[in-house]
Amino acid sequence: NAGVTQTPKFQVLKTGQSMTLQCAQDMNHNSMYWYRQDPGMGLRLIYYSASEGTTDKGEVPNGYNVSRLNKREFSLRLESAAPSQTSVYFCATRHGTRSGETQYFGPGTRLLVL
Amino acid sequence: RKEVEQDPGPFNVPEGATVAFNCTYSNSASQSFFWYRQDCRKEPKLLMSVYSSGNEDGRFTAQLNRASQYISLLIRDSKLSDSATYLCVVNQAGTALIFGKGTTLSVSS
Repeated sequence: NAGVTQTPKFQVLKTGQSMTLQCAQDMNHNSMYWYRQDPGMGLRLIYYSASEGTTDKGEVPNGYNVSRLNKREFSLRLESAAPSQTSVYFCATRHGTRSGETQYFGPGTRLLVL
Repeated sequence: RKEVEQDPGPFNVPEGATVAFNCTYSNSASQSFFWYRQDCRKEPKLLMSVYSSGNEDGRFTAQLNRASQYISLLIRDSKLSDSATYLCVVNQAGTALIFGKGTTLSVSS
């Protein structure tokens, strides 16, 4: 099993360009998340999807849109990239059982906006 | 007040040392607690869950004090491979996980 995969791994954009970050999981988890991580700021939630067909805003949704295409895929779109969106983006899924729950992260996408 | 607060460190310790990290959370309704580990330029990975009774996994011991809203992680006999950033994570029912900014540990020989 690949777990959580993200593409691309690295991307350089010019201000105003658009792009979509892709995330896919093969663990059959219902919940999926997009975070950004900046130095000194920790992980901040952008959007999440509790199940296929639903999405909700997190702490820092401005400038982003998401699509939960199906159970496996959750994409993050930057319509008009800004330098403030330079960051590392992590996709994650979440799985809960009686004994606890775990969040599984993808390897990240490093984005530089010039 | 931040929802989850950690001392950012860095904690610089020699191999074999015992080191403890602390974390406080602001929401008394928080229900689940975790420590994640993140290596440089990698994704976070679950290290251990934290239970009210305290729990141990090898050299790692986690404690929760609900009254003080305080979580700790103790690492005994530190190894070079323990060098990483340790993230304190808190969850309230029905919401996403809330991550602290992390505490950086550097173990040297």
